[in-house]
Amino acid sequence: DAKTTQPPSMDCAEGRAANLPCNHSTISGNEYVYWYRQIHSQGPQYIIHGLKNNETNEMASLIITEDRKSSTLILPHATLRDTAVYYCIVVLNSGGYQKVTFGTGTKLQVIP
Amino acid sequence: DTGVSQNPRHKITKRGQNVTFRCDPISEHNRLYWYRQTLGQGPEFLTYFQNEAQLEKSRLLSDRFSAERPKGSFSTLEIQRTEQGDSAMYLCASRAGVSPLHFGNGTRLTVT
Repeated sequence: DAKTTQPPSMDCAEGRAANLPCNHSTISGNEYVYWYRQIHSQGPQYIIHGLKNNETNEMASLIITEDRKSSTLILPHATLRDTAVYYCIVVLNSGGYQKVTFGTGTKLQVIP
Repeated sequence: DTGVSQNPRHKITKRGQNVTFRCDPISEHNRLYWYRQTLGQGPEFLTYFQNEAQLEKSRLLSDRFSAERPKGSFSTLEIQRTEQGDSAMYLCASRAGVSPLHFGNGTRLTVT
């Protein structure tokens, strides 16, 4: 399974868009990009996922480059409650979580 | 959807004692995963069940660890002869088919 690289930390002003990058240069054609976040003392929470096309849901948008080697998670209007560790992983949708490495993620601090 | 439930939330035990954690997945989820998370790190895969069958175990799962999922419902993770290095957050997650993982809020184990 492909591994991912994320910056260890980022700051974002409240109300502004938070753009979290992720590199996954060894992703294979049938692996999906998933984003989860973990707020202190809680389990990780699913945010969004995609294969090739950009995706949007009520929480965030996911932009995947055409070569699929990197992606960006966008929180359009960050709030203080978005302060969390964000994990980008790549996984076979049919059941590859056994081989996934979550890594250390990006610690996003939303500043008032 | 009542979410993934884990009990207890916190467990303090003395070195050498046995501990058991319980995970109740979302009722229709046939796939169940256990992860371990230490401070500053992302979740690390321990073991995976599909229904009642334990299909995969990580090399992190030493012979002091055992997991069960009788009847494909709840799961237990037992650690025998605990060591200080076992201190961590133990996370359970479940999914149905190709859905995203749903995590519980974990059991935090402290071995003194």
